Amino acid sequence: AQSVTQLDSHVSVSEGTPVLLRCNYSSSYSPSLFWYVQHPNKGLQLLLKYTSAATLVKGINGFEAEFKKSETSFHLTKPSAHMSDAAEYFCVVRRAGGYQKVTFGTGTKLQVIP
Amino acid sequence: GAVVSQHPSRVICKSGTSVKIECRSLDFQATTMFWYRQFPKQSLMLMATSNEGSKATYEQGVEKDKFLINHASLTLSTLTVTSAHPEDSSFYICSASHSELSEQYFGPGTRLTVT
Repeated sequence: AQSVTQLDSHVSVSEGTPVLLRCNYSSSYSPSLFWYVQHPNKGLQLLLKYTSAATLVKGINGFEAEFKKSETSFHLTKPSAHMSDAAEYFCVVRRAGGYQKVTFGTGTKLQVIP
Repeated sequence: GAVVSQHPSRVICKSGTSVKIECRSLDFQATTMFWYRQFPKQSLMLMATSNEGSKATYEQGVEKDKFLINHASLTLSTLTVTSAHPEDSSFYICSASHSELSEQYFGPGTRLTVT
């Protein structure tokens, strides 16, 4: 069994300030973890993924996430928010090396204030 | 690489009619495709998994006779919503992967509105 919890449904930051989107997971197996971004009425774009290699994962557009097994967390961060980062972000868990079925978090809407 | 398209991007249909949504992998062969639906301000919920040439596997609670999935080739899967009702209005997103073990690539989604 697996699940993922995104702790904030909405996050608001000022442009140029750091971004933190929180994600905790639960998995009976070693997990693979992903962050996706969805702009309004668009599909999902993969930001980054953790697949049991380095625990600090760097993704596109300056985002990164750190896998912390002891805390069962995979929080997404970015040092400086841009207006174009305003979107919905989904944390996703999948069994590492296993069948493809994934579980999505409920999403975090990021608002960037000019 | 790994581009997935969906057609149409938006569709409006009348209650009781059927509508077909196409999902295509443009630059790779997708042995497995997934169909999700997303209600407003909610997350994606997996509806079904389809493997090329075989019957789709539906998630619990998804009516297989209402949501017909066909994965006839390695680049095309279709979702047909039969006898659509207003409650079927949603954002439908497909994804495709090389195999059941590899990464999913998502399409841009189809906004279905049933009037």
